[in-house]
Amino acid sequence: AQTVTQSQPEMSVQEAETVTLSCTYDTSESDYYLFWYKQPPSRQMILVIRQEAYKQQNATENRFSVNFQKAAKSFSLKISDSQLGDAAMYFCAYRGYNNNDMRFGAGTRLTVKP
Amino acid sequence: DGGITQSPKYLFRKEGQNVTLSCEQNLNHDAMYWYRQDPGQGLRLIYYSQIVNDFQKGDIAEGYSVSREKKESFPLTVTSAQKNPTAFYLCASSRQGRDNEKLFFGSGTQLSVL
Repeated sequence: AQTVTQSQPEMSVQEAETVTLSCTYDTSESDYYLFWYKQPPSRQMILVIRQEAYKQQNATENRFSVNFQKAAKSFSLKISDSQLGDAAMYFCAYRGYNNNDMRFGAGTRLTVKP
Repeated sequence: DGGITQSPKYLFRKEGQNVTLSCEQNLNHDAMYWYRQDPGQGLRLIYYSQIVNDFQKGDIAEGYSVSREKKESFPLTVTSAQKNPTAFYLCASSRQGRDNEKLFFGSGTQLSVL
């Protein structure tokens, strides 16, 4: 079964600075999707960014970008110009192309200091 | 507006009681999912359904039951066999097929034992 590992239970960043959240995964599949979801205190799950494994180009969404290393099975999230509203739990997730479920990591709690 | 509605927001269960969590979507999505989230942990899959009148067990299905009589609805029953039901429950849905892999989430139900 696929597993997703987030090795940083907590991270903190100064407002306006950059932070990188780590994620590794284990799979034998060649075609899959990777995601970062944000869960603020409201506990609503919000999709931040997605990456398709067959695309070599790293996904970018405004201040959010990923570093996808397929061979290393690594999928880190970089948040630039951090804002107070970025404070939340961040979950890395994996979904195989032929799978019907999404696997989540344990999450990283991000604190943004003013 | 289209979306996923979970109710109630908070639910309390007495010993030996079955309780049902509601999940309704008007996104016309074929697939629906139930996840459980414990404090400080990621999401774990309980059940999922790809089509009406069909559903499959996830990793932690014991003590839970579901039905999918309508495309829009996927209720989850927490039975008395579930000995540790206190958790946050998230319902999600998605389209089927390539490039329809992201999950849309409801706002969740917090279940507690009295």
